[in-house]
Amino acid sequence: DTAVSQTPKYLVTQMGNDKSIKCEQNLGHDTMYWYKQDSKKFLKIMFSYNNKELIINETVPNRFSPKSPDKAHLNLHINSLELGDSAVYFCASSPRGGKEPQHFGDGTRLSIL
Amino acid sequence: TQLLEQSPQFLSIQEGENLTVYCNSSSVFSSLQWYRQEPGEGPVLLVTVVTGGEVKKLKRLTFQFGDARKDSSLHITAAQPGDTGLYLCAGETQGGSEKLVFGKGTKLTVNP
Repeated sequence: DTAVSQTPKYLVTQMGNDKSIKCEQNLGHDTMYWYKQDSKKFLKIMFSYNNKELIINETVPNRFSPKSPDKAHLNLHINSLELGDSAVYFCASSPRGGKEPQHFGDGTRLSIL
Repeated sequence: TQLLEQSPQFLSIQEGENLTVYCNSSSVFSSLQWYRQEPGEGPVLLVTVVTGGEVKKLKRLTFQFGDARKDSSLHITAAQPGDTGLYLCAGETQGGSEKLVFGKGTKLTVNP
């Protein structure tokens, strides 16, 4: 059974388009995250939600809008895609945040043409 | 901004050799986690260290948290090809909104 699943796995699109990435966790965790991993493998937190409430917003451009309809889901919508948005986006969850272990999905590779 | 520096960035060794990966910062962290990531997959947690000076062992992997909780090391004994992957350290920041700050990773290749 997949613990943290995100779709799609690959996303290739044109500059200026709007796209969404979906994430679901079946671990019963309270906290969910979005991370961006660049071409040099640097993993940086973007957002975290605890039980549907935004906790961390790491100075991400307004074009990125997370949405958590319930604590098992955290989606990421990106408007007006730019070349610099090309990266692998990872969703993760943890029981309560902090030092709790984080469980990652397999990532969504976003390529902007 | 709390930063974690990992070294070396790349490491290619022969099966059976020992190696150490370092994770250093000028900041104090509440805890530190080590993850391993394989191509096309997300990072998977190996261990969490919490107390300064703490040492944890996971089979051939030994993890140590510095006394001042600013640095950590991962030592692998008798490396095997299955140890190949990207090793990431991540520190839990203190105060305010707790989050993980990741190092840039060490890409380890163990050749048979």
